[in-house]
Amino acid sequence: AQKITQTQPGMFVQEKEAVTLDCTYDTSDPSYGLFWYKQPSSGEMIFLIYQGSYDQQNATEGRYSLNFQKARKSANLVISASQLGDSAMYFCAMRGISGNTGKLIFGQGTTLQVKP
Amino acid sequence: DVKVTQSSRYLVKRTGEKVFLECVQDMDHENMFWYRQDPGLGLRLIYFSYDVKMKEKGDIPEGYSVSREKKERFSLILESASTNQTSMYLCASSGGGAKNIQYFGAGTRLSVL
Repeated sequence: AQKITQTQPGMFVQEKEAVTLDCTYDTSDPSYGLFWYKQPSSGEMIFLIYQGSYDQQNATEGRYSLNFQKARKSANLVISASQLGDSAMYFCAMRGISGNTGKLIFGQGTTLQVKP
Repeated sequence: DVKVTQSSRYLVKRTGEKVFLECVQDMDHENMFWYRQDPGLGLRLIYFSYDVKMKEKGDIPEGYSVSREKKERFSLILESASTNQTSMYLCASSGGGAKNIQYFGAGTRLSVL
């Protein structure tokens, strides 16, 4: 069975510093995709970054980068130069081989608070 | 811009009522999803649809049904609402492709009293 684990229920970071949010996954699928979403207090889930299992390089999107370590089955999100607006809940998710429907499995989430 | 709209942000219903949660996407996506979100459990898939009039059960379909009569609209139905269905409900859609990214609506906070 597929599983996503986020072991940090809550994290604090000082404004302008970098922070790493942990995510480990378990799957027997040879091909899969990994996603990170941000959920502010307003409730909407915002897509941040994607990493494919066969991608050779770590994904980056602006201040977000994904530290993908395939052998360790980890896909940690790194946020550089934290801003107050980064305070939110962050979810790691995975999509395995499930046709074209894109069904996702989510972790429990990590709440990030950025201190001024 | 990507747009997934859920009809209500907040909803309060009584036990035993029939409840409809509506979701509309304007991106011509084939796939649509309904999740519920509970503290400490993340998001769990209730149902999804990969085409008009097609549906598949997710991980927690009990107590729910869905309807997809048009491509852009996916409805979640609670036939007889119960207090354990008090939750945040999130709708998403995806259009396939290599990344097949899901885009979410703002969510509906449902309270069943």
